[in-house]
Amino acid sequence: EVQLVQSGAEVKKPGESLKISCKGSGYSFTSYWIGWVRQMPGKGLEWMGIIYPGDSDTRYSPSFQGQVTISADKSISTAYLQWSSLKASDTAMYYCVRITMVRGVSNWFDPWGQGTLVTVSS
Amino acid sequence: QSVLTQPPSVSGAPGQRVTISCTGSSSNIGAGYDVHWYQQLPGTAPKLLIYGNSNRPSGVPDRFSGSKSGTSASLAITGLQAEDEADYYCQSYDSSLREVFGGGTKLTVL
Repeated sequence: EVQLVQSGAEVKKPGESLKISCKGSGYSFTSYWIGWVRQMPGKGLEWMGIIYPGDSDTRYSPSFQGQVTISADKSISTAYLQWSSLKASDTAMYYCVRITMVRGVSNWFDPWGQGTLVTVSS
Repeated sequence: QSVLTQPPSVSGAPGQRVTISCTGSSSNIGAGYDVHWYQQLPGTAPKLLIYGNSNRPSGVPDRFSGSKSGTSASLAITGLQAEDEADYYCQSYDSSLREVFGGGTKLTVL
């Protein structure tokens, strides 16, 4: 079974750093892009960026460029999303996704991790 | 403001048919990029419902169908059931912004 398992919920203070993880199993981790999606409380889905664990090629949404860092350790089939200085506005649920790309015109997200809730509050 | 536009809400009675639209532009859906749909049940992670405009993953009932035409796409749900009450999102690729989502549609089963 293809599965993405994310790290647990986090409660942090503004200005603190954070790194959350997403471990893939049941497939060749280095052969698929992994993405991160943000969902703020009561809001919709926002694509943040993607990484190809095979060579660590990384792309960011313009909205998140410079705000977060996406990385991966292919030796342990794990992708990461990190912040160097959290803000209250970073409070959200974060999902990792495996991306299937076909012919350059069709990229879909499946499966999704269970989500990591990040709460930033003083 | 999402790049792909969906109605905020739709509703229908059990057994009825509902459709959810997803309108884009010439830089995404209209450029030939496929549309995919996700279902998010309350308190859970989204799940792939339709991929490649009209394909259902294994395990998704054939009550769910997708289509695409021009700069728009649609998700249709027939034989509406109480368990279909959820948020639905469309997703595509944009030549400027890369991956983009619709704002989401809340389906209420009356």
